[in-house]
Amino acid sequence: EAQVTQNPRYLITVTGKKLTVTCSQNMNHEYMSWYRQDPGLGLRQIYYSMNVEVTDKGDVPEGYKVSRKEKRNFPLILESPSPNQTSLYFCASSLDARGYGYTFGSGTRLTVV
Amino acid sequence: EDKVVQSPLSLVVHEGDTVTLNCSYEVTNFRSLLWYKQEKKAPTFLFMLTSSGIEKKSGRLSSILDKKELFSILNITATQTGDSAIYLCAVGGWKTSYDKVIFGPGTSLSVIP
Repeated sequence: EAQVTQNPRYLITVTGKKLTVTCSQNMNHEYMSWYRQDPGLGLRQIYYSMNVEVTDKGDVPEGYKVSRKEKRNFPLILESPSPNQTSLYFCASSLDARGYGYTFGSGTRLTVV
Repeated sequence: EDKVVQSPLSLVVHEGDTVTLNCSYEVTNFRSLLWYKQEKKAPTFLFMLTSSGIEKKSGRLSSILDKKELFSILNITATQTGDSAIYLCAVGGWKTSYDKVIFGPGTSLSVIP
């Protein structure tokens, strides 16, 4: 089954403790992206990747890192999480960046206390 | 600055009602407008619109784009409780050398029996 797999689904952590949210897709998509969703703000792009070893900042990249060493994986790293990073996170993949072909992961609800 | 505005942000209707959701945008080098439905988890794709005046239809849902006035509407007729969801409008544009998709804040629709 074609899918984007995100883990974990739920995470509660403390301020400053490094964490990684994993994202993996099995569709051989070149484009992958991370979004955060907050009430009233919609989905805001954190980082995106056009292909292996090609990543770039989205609209809200501060406090996040990503890597794209393999085509299928696009982990999101929070080196020193803070409470304002409490949010719902989605990974998405697509053949290209145009949006209509996005497949979203199931989401990760992160709480930083 | 590119932006996507949706209205209303929240709506409660009774089963059988017809609803109209609005999306207006200002995006550099417009390419497409997309509608997504988000229930309890990941957004799922509904429509992509690229041309003015051509209605896209799927069952009880339909959408149309006005590129001159920079807006789109999503209509749902004979609403059912299963239509309860957040409806996201996203607009794709071209910036320098890449496609970019900007999401609106979403309209939260609740359909009560």
